[in-house]
Amino acid sequence: DAGITQSPRYKITETGRQVTLMCHQTWSHSYMFWYRQDLGHGLRLIYYSAAADITDKGEVPDGYVVSRSKTENFPLTLESATRSQTSVYFCASGVGETQYFGPGTRLLVL
Amino acid sequence: AQSVAQPEDQVNVAEGNPLTVKCTYSVSGNPYLFWYVQYPNRGLQFLLKYITGDNLVKGSYGFEAEFNKSQTSFHLKKPSALVSDSALYFCAVRANYGGSQGNLIFGKGTKLSVKP
Repeated sequence: DAGITQSPRYKITETGRQVTLMCHQTWSHSYMFWYRQDLGHGLRLIYYSAAADITDKGEVPDGYVVSRSKTENFPLTLESATRSQTSVYFCASGVGETQYFGPGTRLLVL
Repeated sequence: AQSVAQPEDQVNVAEGNPLTVKCTYSVSGNPYLFWYVQYPNRGLQFLLKYITGDNLVKGSYGFEAEFNKSQTSFHLKKPSALVSDSALYFCAVRANYGGSQGNLIFGKGTKLSVKP
């Protein structure tokens, strides 16, 4: 099916563990984004990518790593999860100025 | 610094009444403005955008937004609210600085509640 998907949809992990959130889009959009959504903060950009092998930091990149070896995939890794990284994570892809969002991953770090 | 403000955390309206969700922005140069909607447990969906041209922009689901340059506002409106419009609404502006050009800066969101 066309669109943007995220996996897993829900994840519980422990402090210090590595976690990878997956994002896959079928539109071949060049731009992809990772946001986190927290109460009182709206959406904040973590990382973005303008094309395969091109990534850059957003507003809140600390503690996160991204890669983009293929246009359609943009995984986000929490190298050593902390409780402050408990959040809902949204992946998006874009064409022009419009971004299209995935359904989100709800992450709980214990 | 570029920013977006949504002054109301929540807006309550009765079904059938007009609704307005407010947004103001601060950006250098000409703004690119957006509205997105988020239904419970879902990702954000694009509603409409202003790039240039007519100050009244029409979007999905009967929504429209009015760009006002002098007031630096981009309020979302709908003539007759539906219960199904109840959701979280985000205003956003496109960043136009340096390497982040093209990224969106979001407001904190306004929860719209439409009562029957």
